[in-house]
Amino acid sequence: EPEVTQTPSHQVTQMGQEVILRCVPISNHLYFYWYRQILGQKVEFLVSFYNNEISEKSEIFDDQFSVERPDGSNFTLKIRSTKLEDSAMYFCASRDTRVTNTEAFFGQGTRLTVV
Amino acid sequence: AQSVAQPEDQVNVAEGNPLTVKCTYSVSGNPYLFWYVQYPNRGLQFLLKYITGDNLVKGSYGFEAEFNKSQTSFHLKKPSALVSDSALYFCAVRGGGGADGLTFGKGTHLIIQP
Repeated sequence: EPEVTQTPSHQVTQMGQEVILRCVPISNHLYFYWYRQILGQKVEFLVSFYNNEISEKSEIFDDQFSVERPDGSNFTLKIRSTKLEDSAMYFCASRDTRVTNTEAFFGQGTRLTVV
Repeated sequence: AQSVAQPEDQVNVAEGNPLTVKCTYSVSGNPYLFWYVQYPNRGLQFLLKYITGDNLVKGSYGFEAEFNKSQTSFHLKKPSALVSDSALYFCAVRGGGGADGLTFGKGTHLIIQP
């Protein structure tokens, strides 16, 4: 069964450093997402991406964040200068848009720890 | 703004008994409702969705959910719980108006006791 894959599974970075989280969405899916889950809290929407541009973003997704689809398979989330409060589990998701109202499929997540 | 409420942090059920995990929502326009399950150290797995049509939707692992428009609820149910159903369950909504991101509830820990 096709799945969304994320790398790395765990990333530790120092405050102020740039970090890139990587995702390979399900092939032939066209909508891509990033969500985060701070420990013990609910899953929060960050951004959606379609047709090589951001289609929607939350207020969490400020200028420190950016997304990119550098090639035909990868989808990345970059945090420019990490803060302690960026520590969270980050989930990538993708959705098939050939059929309306489909569900999003989530990856296993990348646990980001900022120290 | 859309929102989802899961009023119970934890639900305890004996194995073999029916279970219900509650969810209510607030959204403008027609709601698209989803349930996801998260096992420890794992990602979110899709269980079922309501888009339109029958109010009772069936999903994976014997789960079902009932959409109630008047009560703006989408409770998750299963007739006979298994110990392996123990996990964290999230209700989510995607509203109309072009918004695409899911809004999640805070999650409910479901604990099935042998």
